[in-house]
Amino acid sequence: DAMVIQNPRYQVTQFGKPVTLSCSQTLNHNVMYWYQQKSSQAPKLLFHYYDKDFNNEADTPDNFQSRRPNTSFCFLDIRSPGLGDAAMYLCATSTDRGRTKNIQYFGAGTRLSVL
Amino acid sequence: DAKTTQPNSMESNEEEPVHLPCNHSTISGTDYIHWYRQLPSQGPEYVIHGLTSNVNNRMASLAIAEDRKSSTLILHRATLRDAAVYYCILRDVVETSYDKVIFGPGTSLSVIP
Repeated sequence: DAMVIQNPRYQVTQFGKPVTLSCSQTLNHNVMYWYQQKSSQAPKLLFHYYDKDFNNEADTPDNFQSRRPNTSFCFLDIRSPGLGDAAMYLCATSTDRGRTKNIQYFGAGTRLSVL
Repeated sequence: DAKTTQPNSMESNEEEPVHLPCNHSTISGTDYIHWYRQLPSQGPEYVIHGLTSNVNNRMASLAIAEDRKSSTLILHRATLRDAAVYYCILRDVVETSYDKVIFGPGTSLSVIP
């Protein structure tokens, strides 16, 4: 059973048109992460939530925002997508306690195309 | 985060063992060595991690050098489903509550039938 679910798997948007990607988890993990992965590159961390605390990476553009309304859900908002934002977006979760402490669990990703 | 160095790519024949090396000469005493892999069109998945001693699980084995400046991920019998990018990552065990996975380029493993 999928534990970190990303919807949709494929998303097409227009240049400059706001888009939201969603992630949900059934693991009850307190940490959630968003990564951007461009073709043939490693995933790059954009930001993460520790519980309700938002932590932005220093080089994440302001165009990228995130919301976490509750433990289970986290959203990635791209306010004005540019052609360079076309990528795979990966959501991940982890917990800071127990046997699986600090192991990250990833969703299958959402591939974003910008036309 | 301390840096790791891995070969860009490796090939293996199906059903043969695979040894994926990782160098981490600047590793600190509190860094765990983690391995993740990413199959085509999938998100990364955790493989194994260790601190000082060699580790085994159902997916792989991790051999850690005595000085901890290098490690090797061992797939005992490669299958076509093991074709993936393998990432070696150092994570500081002292960081409290949580920490971040920072990915390097990884090793792209091809498995030849």
